[in-house]
Amino acid sequence: NAGVTQTPKFQVLKTGQSMTLQCAQDMNHNSMYWYRQDPGMGLRLIYYSASEGTTDKGEVPNGYNVSRLNKREFSLRLESAAPSQTSVYFCASGSTTGRVEAFFGQGTRLTVV
Amino acid sequence: GESVGLHLPTLSVQEGDNSIINCAYSNSASDYFIWYKQESGKGPQFIIDIRSNMDKRQGQRVTVLLNKTVKHLSLQIAATQPGDSAVYFCAEIRSGTSYGKLTFGQGTILTVHP
Repeated sequence: NAGVTQTPKFQVLKTGQSMTLQCAQDMNHNSMYWYRQDPGMGLRLIYYSASEGTTDKGEVPNGYNVSRLNKREFSLRLESAAPSQTSVYFCASGSTTGRVEAFFGQGTRLTVV
Repeated sequence: GESVGLHLPTLSVQEGDNSIINCAYSNSASDYFIWYKQESGKGPQFIIDIRSNMDKRQGQRVTVLLNKTVKHLSLQIAATQPGDSAVYFCAEIRSGTSYGKLTFGQGTILTVHP
């Protein structure tokens, strides 16, 4: 049972480069989320998708775009990476009814130089 | 989101002791409060949740207390073990939002000494 799988695990980008972080879940959850975590801080929501076909901004959406490709997959794109986007990125999925538990992936550690 | 700096609160305990981790929240319009555990290099892992109309909830070795009067949440871990060493985050699910849309607190580093 894989849960939430993120790729890649590590990435180094040069300022101005673009990349897409991939996320897939196998728990048949409707909702998926992208968070970032900076040193010594809690996670902050970047974007989320409450259901397939919908996406909404979270707390810190600037510089990012997302695509909910299907029910399983939710990708995060950095069009022009900046050093301020150096962070650890976590994808999560969750139900919209029943249990409140959200399931997180292992994270992608991104460094922008 | 507010910036909280690089220095997380820390709690050091001996194996077998009980641990109490505290969290203050600011938003009164939250449906659920949740505790997550994050081990080094891993994503957060759900521990326990409490609905806003409850004061106390118990799980396996853990108890969460909610004091809405002073907007305070605590996590009690009984008979703390070295495997409990991690960063612990409280999080809120605000009213009208989906369950994974979490507002996280700062976090507390728990270190358990054998």
